Amino acid sequence: GNSVTQMEGPVTLSEEAFLTINCTYTATGYPSLFWYVQYPGEGLQLLLKATKADDKGSNKGFEATYRKETTSFHLEKGSVQVSDSAVYFCALSDFKETSGSRLTFGEGTQLTVNP
Amino acid sequence: ETGVTQSPTHLIKTRGQQVTLRCSSQSGHNTVSWYQQALGQGPQFIFQYYREEENGRGNFPPRFSGLQFPNYSSELNVNALELDDSALYLCASSPYLGREAFFGQGTRLTVV
Repeated sequence: GNSVTQMEGPVTLSEEAFLTINCTYTATGYPSLFWYVQYPGEGLQLLLKATKADDKGSNKGFEATYRKETTSFHLEKGSVQVSDSAVYFCALSDFKETSGSRLTFGEGTQLTVNP
Repeated sequence: ETGVTQSPTHLIKTRGQQVTLRCSSQSGHNTVSWYQQALGQGPQFIFQYYREEENGRGNFPPRFSGLQFPNYSSELNVNALELDDSALYLCASSPYLGREAFFGQGTRLTVV
């Protein structure tokens, strides 16, 4: 079955530091890949996505590239801010006409950014 | 354009009771999916509804059931509540069979 593995957290950084959160996946076919962010007490917000190999998703300074050869979708940001403190989830979606699609999530990575 | 809304935001139930959670999908979306997120974990897929029919189910027992209405809103029902059912329940709506999911704020269920 499908699975997503994220780097273990928590991750603590100083403001303006470089961020990388590793994500690898196992899936049949050609899934779409996503990063979601969850702030305390809230639901999930879509941060960025990529739907095919070599696509780069980007939003709010965050980037991730769909690497089929290494089955990875690592999240990066060049300079983090205190407001980026949240839990980040990597996810994949496999779409089938007969059964729609479902998201498979990783365990999440807690990011804390200190001023 | 209104987003996905869920109600209630929090509730507390006793083991063995039944609970109904509600979700209003985003305008123009005909697919609703439900996820369970236990504390400190990633969300787990429960099931998906498309055009009022269940269209895929995760590894959850039959006491988890759902409905989708003609206006595409949805309910999640859980019977015979167990302590392990305590979690954040997330509803996500999508424009077509879940290609891209937009989440509500969730309902925090505590079973005591």
